[in-house]
Amino acid sequence: DAGVIQSPRHEVTEMGQEVTLRCKPISGHDYLFWYRQTMMRGLELLIYFNNNVPIDDSGMPEDRFSAKMPNASFSTLKIQPSEPRDSAVYFCASRDGTNTEAFFGQGTRLTVV
Amino acid sequence: KQEVTQIPAALSVPEGENLVLNCSFTDSAIYNLQWFRQDPGKGLTSLLLIQSSQREQTSGRLNASLDKSSGRSTLYIAASQPGDSATYLCAPWGQAGTALIFGKGTTLSVSS
Repeated sequence: DAGVIQSPRHEVTEMGQEVTLRCKPISGHDYLFWYRQTMMRGLELLIYFNNNVPIDDSGMPEDRFSAKMPNASFSTLKIQPSEPRDSAVYFCASRDGTNTEAFFGQGTRLTVV
Repeated sequence: KQEVTQIPAALSVPEGENLVLNCSFTDSAIYNLQWFRQDPGKGLTSLLLIQSSQREQTSGRLNASLDKSSGRSTLYIAASQPGDSATYLCAPWGQAGTALIFGKGTTLSVSS
């Protein structure tokens, strides 16, 4: 398996624009997590899914953020409208069940100017 | 709410030293705990998973222990090498089916 695949790897956008980050989890994994990493706050959980159903979205900072998982092999994290304070590295991770390792993608570095 | 603290925040050692990285968490009712390393500008690489029924896990020069009752985990690195230089993160998760919660990590620098 190619691992967790995220796209794009880098995104630079202007304030107010819509940004969509994409994630393909490892095949067969039923948990998918979205995290955000900044120097100040470290890795923060935004939302996670189990069998494509959102389980906990309490980490989503504002209504500007939304996430979907339309099927087992694809998830999106959307920010609309984007703001400079959204600049961070966004990671997606997946896990098979409750007793195995979680694996992370390479991340998307988002810069909002 | 689970809070994870890693001490020290940064560590510099000469090559060959054995070292211990510490992780503490406020809610001892965790299920599993996973250790990761992160190289600058890269994603997270899984090092070890300590499952709920285990107290220890080993992989090569790495050994991780878990004491749930005291809310602590340690990562022991034997005979450190420059290639071990990275940030090390611990991540417990609560009841089965919940998400990993991260500390801010320990940044390790091993000089040759």
